[in-house]
Amino acid sequence: GQQLNQSPQSMFIQEGEDVSMNCTSSSIFNTWLWYKQDPGEGPVLLIALYKAGELTSNGRLTAQFGITRKDSFLNISASIPSDVGIYFCAGKSNFGNEKLTFGTGTRLTIIP
Amino acid sequence: DAMVIQNPRYQVTQFGKPVTLSCSQTLNHNVMYWYQQKSSQAPKLLFHYYDKDFNNEADTPDNFQSRRPNTSFCFLDIRSPGLGDAAMYLCATSKPPGLGGVVEQFFGPGTRLTVL
Repeated sequence: GQQLNQSPQSMFIQEGEDVSMNCTSSSIFNTWLWYKQDPGEGPVLLIALYKAGELTSNGRLTAQFGITRKDSFLNISASIPSDVGIYFCAGKSNFGNEKLTFGTGTRLTIIP
Repeated sequence: DAMVIQNPRYQVTQFGKPVTLSCSQTLNHNVMYWYQQKSSQAPKLLFHYYDKDFNNEADTPDNFQSRRPNTSFCFLDIRSPGLGDAAMYLCATSKPPGLGGVVEQFFGPGTRLTVL
């Protein structure tokens, strides 16, 4: 099935650094979601975006719905150890069904 | 708290021995999904129910079946598990997209299936 291109695939950063990741698609989406998955757990919804250009924050996390509707960005400021995990973007196109298309994931590791 | 519950969290089965995974939700959502997730990969949708309407993905093997006896419960049956079916199985729920445009899916903690 279709997948969204997510980059980077992995990141190694030091605690306190800011993090940026993005998700791109060749087709238009009308909803973007960002999830975080800890090892051995299910994905947890972080932020939902519904309008092109929308910028939404959730604590230290900020996500944006790209103007072209083909991309989305997630930023994490001042990273802390519990930010470690895999971040997935997910998009929904405007074709009226319930399914999401998932990104390939960005694995975030914090170097002590 | 409203939530999605999956049991068991860990399931070990033998090659070819049928296994059933369960999911329940207290969110009263119309839509329930089953995903398969292999290590470090994105979740892969197997099928979903919109109320009692079953929607199978084209590439979901016949070995995988599902039942939804009521709004709250949904089951994943693997009729003859193979070694390649070892994975994390995730259940998720959502409201129908037409109601306020909400499409957020809420996931359970998953069941890790091991096939010996």
